[in-house]
Amino acid sequence: NAGVTQTPKFQVLKTGQSMTLQCAQDMNHNSMYWYRQDPGMGLRLIYYSASEGTTDKGEVPNGYNVSRLNKREFSLRLESAAPSQTSVYFCASSLGQGVIYEQYFGPGTRLTVT
Amino acid sequence: KNQVEQSPQSLIILEGKNCTLQCNYTVSPFSNLRWYKQDTGRGPVSLTIMTFSENTKSNGRYTATLDADTKQSSLHITASQLSDSASYICVVSPNTGNQFYFGTGTSLTVIP
Repeated sequence: NAGVTQTPKFQVLKTGQSMTLQCAQDMNHNSMYWYRQDPGMGLRLIYYSASEGTTDKGEVPNGYNVSRLNKREFSLRLESAAPSQTSVYFCASSLGQGVIYEQYFGPGTRLTVT
Repeated sequence: KNQVEQSPQSLIILEGKNCTLQCNYTVSPFSNLRWYKQDTGRGPVSLTIMTFSENTKSNGRYTATLDADTKQSSLHITASQLSDSASYICVVSPNTGNQFYFGTGTSLTVIP
């Protein structure tokens, strides 16, 4: 089992460009999450999907959109990238929604916006 | 305001030595506390999870303690190895909603 996979691993964008970060999990988990990690800050939740067909905003959703394509895949889109979106992005999944469920993280995508 | 604070920010120790990392939180009402290990360039991996009724939990050379009264947790690493070099993140959840409050982590470097 690969667990949670993310593509790409690295990306450099110019301000105003768009891109989609891909995430897939093979653990048959119901819930999926997108976080960003910035120096000196804890991970912050961007969006989450409690189950297939549903998505909800997290703490820092502005500038992002998500799609829960199916049970396995959850993508994060930046429509018009800004330098403030330079960060490391992590996708995570859990069996269910709720704080009792363990979250499993992918390896991350390091994004630089110039 | 729900917050999680970790100390120290960074730590360097000699291989074979023990160390203790601290986590203080204000998250309330409390549900559980997790410790994650994050290797450089990788995603966080869970080490332990503790609920209100647990005050000690071990995972190999890692031992977490929890004092829910003082809202403090510690992660003790015994006989450190070079592979313990990583960032250790404390995550606290309340028992309302679906929230995870992440600390900023302690960066541990083990040197030979």
